[in-house]
Amino acid sequence: DAGVTQSPTHLIKTRGQHVTLRCSPISGHKSVSWYQQVLGQGPQFIFQYYEKEERGRGNFPDRFSARQFPNYSSELNVNALLLGDSALYLCASSSGLAGIHYEQYFGPGTRLTVT
Amino acid sequence: AQTVTQSQPEMSVQEAETVTLSCTYDTSENNYYLFWYKQPPSRQMILVIRQEAYKQQNATENRFSVNFQKAAKSFSLKISDSQLGDTAMYFCAFMKRLASGSARQLTFGSGTQLTVLP
Repeated sequence: DAGVTQSPTHLIKTRGQHVTLRCSPISGHKSVSWYQQVLGQGPQFIFQYYEKEERGRGNFPDRFSARQFPNYSSELNVNALLLGDSALYLCASSSGLAGIHYEQYFGPGTRLTVT
Repeated sequence: AQTVTQSQPEMSVQEAETVTLSCTYDTSENNYYLFWYKQPPSRQMILVIRQEAYKQQNATENRFSVNFQKAAKSFSLKISDSQLGDTAMYFCAFMKRLASGSARQLTFGSGTQLTVLP
């Protein structure tokens, strides 16, 4: 079975631009979470979606938004890019939110560079 | 809010030796999960081992084991018979055990870069 996939692998954008990152969860998984990992730091939670609804949001500005589609894939959108948005963006999927379904499996990430 | 602290930014170990990575956390929760993730240069975050806080027995996965001290809020990872492929950044992570339907967010430490020397 395929793991979590993310696209694109790398992306270079200019300050002020908009970016869309994509994630496909493991087949059968209904929850997707997004994390931002700045170089030299641990990942920080941005969003979690389950059954197309936002279930949690981290301490990120409104420039960050996301959505989940009926096939459980997800997009992360960032508007008005700042230099500080340069990071590795990780997507993680889990089969659900309750009981044994809490474990999160990560994709390879998208490296975003803002110049 | 929860915090996770990894006080060892870098560590090295000789191949076949044993190494222990430290992690402490701060929380007022009683029910939670703890994880160690490994991130090699390929960037893929890989789950190494998990521990449910309500279980007193320390988790083990082949060469990987943890020392979970709930009262001390300590969660260290021991790697036995270290292999070159163990070279990676290791992250300790915390997750609250919430009611069904609530968000499951991981709080990560800053990581420990482990290098296994031949």
